[in-house]
Amino acid sequence: DTEVTQTPKHLVMGMTNKKSLKCEQHMGHRAMYWYKQKAKKPPELMFVYSYEKLSINESVPSRFSPECPNSSLLNLHLHALQPEDSALYLCASSQARTNYGYTFGSGTRLTVV
Amino acid sequence: GQQVMQIPQYQHVQEGEDFTTYCNSSTTLSNIQWYKQRPGGHPVFLIQLVKSGEVKKQKRLTFQFGEAKKNSSLHITATQTTDVGTYFCATITSGTYKYIFGTGTRLKVLA
Repeated sequence: DTEVTQTPKHLVMGMTNKKSLKCEQHMGHRAMYWYKQKAKKPPELMFVYSYEKLSINESVPSRFSPECPNSSLLNLHLHALQPEDSALYLCASSQARTNYGYTFGSGTRLTVV
Repeated sequence: GQQVMQIPQYQHVQEGEDFTTYCNSSTTLSNIQWYKQRPGGHPVFLIQLVKSGEVKKQKRLTFQFGEAKKNSSLHITATQTTDVGTYFCATITSGTYKYIFGTGTRLKVLA
């Protein structure tokens, strides 16, 4: 299995809703990442997990809450989002933080209304 | 913070023409990776370059790392409509070890 699976593929949520994005990989990768990508822009790093521990938080607002329940799973909990948070949210993994050439999931396209 | 700029931002070519995108950094890079993102898709890893002056080929794609390890290029020979997408370079920042993407070059191929 050489894939990173993200669910859901599309999500529409209101500003008072709570939702979660899920990411799963079975490649034995020990580093997992959340990126945010706005239209026509490069992906922007949000969070880095290494060996299931949060190692980088790129000053992301607290309405985004990451969680790594085990080495294969990565969640992003969303609460009280703003319309400007609408974007493509990409999960990626790599063998280790110092390994390059990430494997990306197909992303969750989030719309906040 | 460290930034990686790509030029051009957009490129339209006729099918069969060649295409090149350049990735430039103000600081020396330990290595560089290239990704392709199709419209509506996600970034897909293409290749990694590590050595000064390194050149790697994948069919019609040629990747080069500059001698000073501050720039890189991706050249596509005889473009096809399947080459359409945005090409990003990416690298890891020194000190903080954050993986950042270049600004990207969007390629359109006209049949």
